[in-house]
Order: sequence, then C-alpha cells, then structure tokens
Amino acid sequence: DAKTTQPNSMESNEEEPVHLPCNHSTISGTDYIHWYRQLPSQGPEYVIHGLTSNVNNRMASLAIAEDRKSSTLILHRATLRDAAVYYCILMEYGNKLVFGAGTILRVKS
Amino acid sequence: GAVVSQHPSRVICKSGTSVKIECRSLDFQATTMFWYRQFPKQSLMLMATSNEGSKATYEQGVEKDKFLINHASLTLSTLTVTSAHPEDSSFYICSAKTGGWNEQFFGPGTRLTVL
Repeated sequence: DAKTTQPNSMESNEEEPVHLPCNHSTISGTDYIHWYRQLPSQGPEYVIHGLTSNVNNRMASLAIAEDRKSSTLILHRATLRDAAVYYCILMEYGNKLVFGAGTILRVKS
Repeated sequence: GAVVSQHPSRVICKSGTSVKIECRSLDFQATTMFWYRQFPKQSLMLMATSNEGSKATYEQGVEKDKFLINHASLTLSTLTVTSAHPEDSSFYICSAKTGGWNEQFFGPGTRLTVL
C-alpha cells in the first residue's frame, strides 16, 4: 500500500476552518484517497473519500491536487467535537485500509 | 445508516481463558468484515479480513489459531481470543463494508483486559 505523510499534530480555534494536509507522492492511478477520524476511545469514523475530483459532504470537503500527490481535508467550521486523530489513507477500490499515525487535531475554545 | 455494533464494549478476563467479541452490522449486509487491534497511543493494526461464508485472511504475524474469526452471516462476525494472556490486552475494533461500497464503517470497539 502506498504511504501517506501527515503532520503529527495541528491546532485550530473553534468556529474557524481547518485544513489538514496529506502528502502521497507515490500514489497510483487506482488508489482512492480516504479520510477517517477517531475520537478518543472510539472506533474510527468515515469522513470522506475521493479519486481525482474534489468532494464535498456534510462533514467536510476534500481537495485533491491536480497531480494527485497531495490532498487536503477541510473542516469548514471546527467545533470541539472535531478534536480527533485524522487519518489519510490510500486504498485500492475494495481493498483493505492500512492506518498510519495520523494527525492529532486539537480545537481550542 | 451504516451502523456497526460491538459486544461487549469492555471485558476483563483471567489469563488462560477465551473471550468472544461480536461485531454486527445493524442496517446493512456486510459482505466483508475486518478486525483491527489498537494498543495505547498507537494506530490501528489490521488483524484479518473475513468474507461471509469464507475463511478469514490473516495479516502477517497474526496467529490464526489464537484469534479465531467466524463470519457465518451477512450481519455477524465474531473474534475469539483463545487462551488470552496479558499481552493480548488491547482495544479490538471491527469494521464492515458491503460489496458496492468503497468506505468501511467501524464499530465502537471492545476493550479487553487480561489479568
């Protein structure tokens, strides 16, 4: 599975947008970009995924670079409930997820 | 929709006993279920993949005779930790997906403590 690189941690203020970066320079043409998040002592939660085009859903937006070597998860207005570990994962369609270390997002009130 | 439950949420057992953890998809049919393990302050580690009606595929280094996985129906998979030891104490998490989906949906996890 192709690797991703994420910052260890980021901090945001409540009610402000958050941009979580992910580098995946060795991505292959069939790899989907997935984002999951995990709150303390809970199972991960699906956030969003995409292949080539930017994607929006009720939770977040996913901006994918034209060369697909990087992507950014955008939380439009961070709340305290968004504090979690965010995982950026590359996955071939229908294949397994391999979790890296992720980014710890802290949200300040 | 896409809810996955696990039972129990916490279990404490004595060394040498076996523990069974259930994973259920509540509102969809899970053709594939996955089992993960997570140690404190670490990321999730995939243990095995199971397809309904088939034998599970274990990741390298995971003992299939110690971690028995059964996926007998489209809504239920079980993980049995046999002859548990303190080093098996961990957070066990399942996830499920159905054939046409790309995303997985995770259960809330089971915290196992072996004394």
